[in-house]
Amino acid sequence: AQSVAQPEDQVNVAEGNPLTVKCTYSVSGNPYLFWYVQYPNRGLQFLLKYITGDNLVKGSYGFEAEFNKSQTSFHLKKPSALVSDSALYFCAVREGDDKIIFGKGTRLHILP
Amino acid sequence: EAEVAQSPRYKITEKSQAVAFWCDPISGHATLYWYRQILGQGPELLVQFQDESVVDDSQLPKDRFSAERLKGVDSTLKIQPAELGDSAMYLCASSAGQRTGTGELFFGEGSRLTVL
Repeated sequence: AQSVAQPEDQVNVAEGNPLTVKCTYSVSGNPYLFWYVQYPNRGLQFLLKYITGDNLVKGSYGFEAEFNKSQTSFHLKKPSALVSDSALYFCAVREGDDKIIFGKGTRLHILP
Repeated sequence: EAEVAQSPRYKITEKSQAVAFWCDPISGHATLYWYRQILGQGPELLVQFQDESVVDDSQLPKDRFSAERLKGVDSTLKIQPAELGDSAMYLCASSAGQRTGTGELFFGEGSRLTVL
């Protein structure tokens, strides 16, 4: 069965600095990988996905993620953090027609 | 912009009472999901519908939870009787695919349940 891990409960980054939120996954076949963001008392919003093709995926709000098959990772990145990026971020994986599995989430704090 | 509608946004109830949540997915989305998100954790799938049929309810506590999507459009999730441990955010999501793996999910704003 597929699984996904977000090793950091919280990440603190100064405004203007680059940010990385880590995600690793485990599947037996080819993964479909997703990142979502959640603001307080709101639903999840889709940021980006990797299905196939270019390992660097660009998404909403200036975010991007890099798929690394050998390290089974799909880290979320942004070149320059904004205070408004502070939120809860979820990595998710799906294998074939199986259900989507979400990580436990990483809280991102951008410090002014 | 099309959205997934959920109601109520907040519900406070006493244990042993019945509670129901409603979801209206984005028009034309065949697949509908109910997730439960406990504070500080990621969403966990409770039930997945393809049109009006249940395709996965393996994590749904069937002794107290039920879900239906009678006409393949909107859906209701019911808890009876509610227990203290049911306090959580209940999220509805929909996607356009026919059980394909590539489609992203679109989430509603959620229904936050507090059981006293």
